[in-house]
Amino acid sequence: DAGVIQSPRHEVTEMGQEVTLRCKPISGHDYLFWYRQTMMRGLELLIYFNNNVPIDDSGMPEDRFSAKMPNASFSTLKIQPSEPRDSAVYFCASTWTGGKGSPLHFGNGTRLTVT
Amino acid sequence: RKEVEQDPGPFNVPEGATVAFNCTYSNSASQSFFWYRQDCRKEPKLLMSVYSSGNEDGRFTAQLNRASQYISLLIRDSKLSDSATYLCVVNKGGGADGLTFGKGTHLIIQP
Repeated sequence: DAGVIQSPRHEVTEMGQEVTLRCKPISGHDYLFWYRQTMMRGLELLIYFNNNVPIDDSGMPEDRFSAKMPNASFSTLKIQPSEPRDSAVYFCASTWTGGKGSPLHFGNGTRLTVT
Repeated sequence: RKEVEQDPGPFNVPEGATVAFNCTYSNSASQSFFWYRQDCRKEPKLLMSVYSSGNEDGRFTAQLNRASQYISLLIRDSKLSDSATYLCVVNKGGGADGLTFGKGTHLIIQP
């Protein structure tokens, strides 16, 4: 099992540039989550999908953030334009509809630095 | 009251000691509970689920107190490799979409 795969591992970009983060969930998982983690705020849920459909995007900070899941094996999180306050570690996680108690499987994360 | 609250620590504990920390949650209807472990600059990983009757996994014991709305994690005979951040996770619903993470408790085991 390859686990959840995220790319890139590190991204350094200048303010105003577009950033695209990518995620491949574990095969067979029907839920996909995007989280952001900072020291100040901890892990924050940005958006999640069920069967490729966005269910709750209330955690997306503002219109500069968008996420897509065109198929069951791929999702993107895009920030346009990026700002220094977007600097954080972005995690993708997936799980399956196994009733209550389904654990989340996280990817290695993308460490984003916006200068 | 925050949805899930933890003492951020750090807890500095000598190797071999027993350490315990709690996590409180605000939603009395919460249905399932977990402890995740996160090593420095790594992703969170499931440590153990927390069952109503309490459960043990080797040196780790998890307890749930529904009346007082807290869960606890106890680590016996602590090892240097136990140094990490421990995240309390509460599921307010029945599915995977109701998870709320605490900010974590930072544990440092000292030789």
